[in-house]
Amino acid sequence: AQSVTQLDSQVPVFEEAPVELRCNYSSSVSVYLFWYVQYPNQGLQLLLKYLSGSTLVESINGFEAEFNKSQTSFHLRKPSVHISDTAEYFCAVSPNNAGNMLTFGGGTRLMVKP
Amino acid sequence: EAQVTQNPRYLITVTGKKLTVTCSQNMNHEYMSWYRQDPGLGLRQIYYSMNVEVTDKGDVPEGYKVSRKEKRNFPLILESPSPNQTSLYFCASRRQGNTGELFFGEGSRLTVL
Repeated sequence: AQSVTQLDSQVPVFEEAPVELRCNYSSSVSVYLFWYVQYPNQGLQLLLKYLSGSTLVESINGFEAEFNKSQTSFHLRKPSVHISDTAEYFCAVSPNNAGNMLTFGGGTRLMVKP
Repeated sequence: EAQVTQNPRYLITVTGKKLTVTCSQNMNHEYMSWYRQDPGLGLRQIYYSMNVEVTDKGDVPEGYKVSRKEKRNFPLILESPSPNQTSLYFCASRRQGNTGELFFGEGSRLTVL
């Protein structure tokens, strides 16, 4: 079984400031890692994922996340946020065996202020 | 356009009145799943289906039923809704395997009085 902890339920930040959304996980097996974003009144959309290879993964809109196996973390960062980044962000893990379970964290609401 | 469609988007009902939330996907995905989203708890899986006629319980299946008679449809049935099932529900689908992107519907907000 696996679990995901997102340490901050809300993160307020000013526009153009950097941001880090924290995600820690626990699992008895190796995992795949995902970040999903939920804009207001919408479903979730995949932002980025780590399956293997380089531990730093990037999205098309400037977010990046780094897989740290020793710290069992997958924190999401952006060097300069925009108002349009205001959304809820979910970290999720899936075992890299034949299973189909995807476990989500509790979510972090990013609030970007002008 | 590739999409997952849920209906209804909003529903207010009363305790004990059976209801069904429909979900349909047009991407020929084998895997479909239902989640409920509650503040501070993230998304919790209710049921999932790996293919037609194959369904299994997720983390919180009590009070729910599902069926998968056709590949594209995966309805969620609440036989006797209770107030603790008031929540935001999401249907999602993806190709088989757990490395791929989950595609979500826009959500169905259910209130049980």
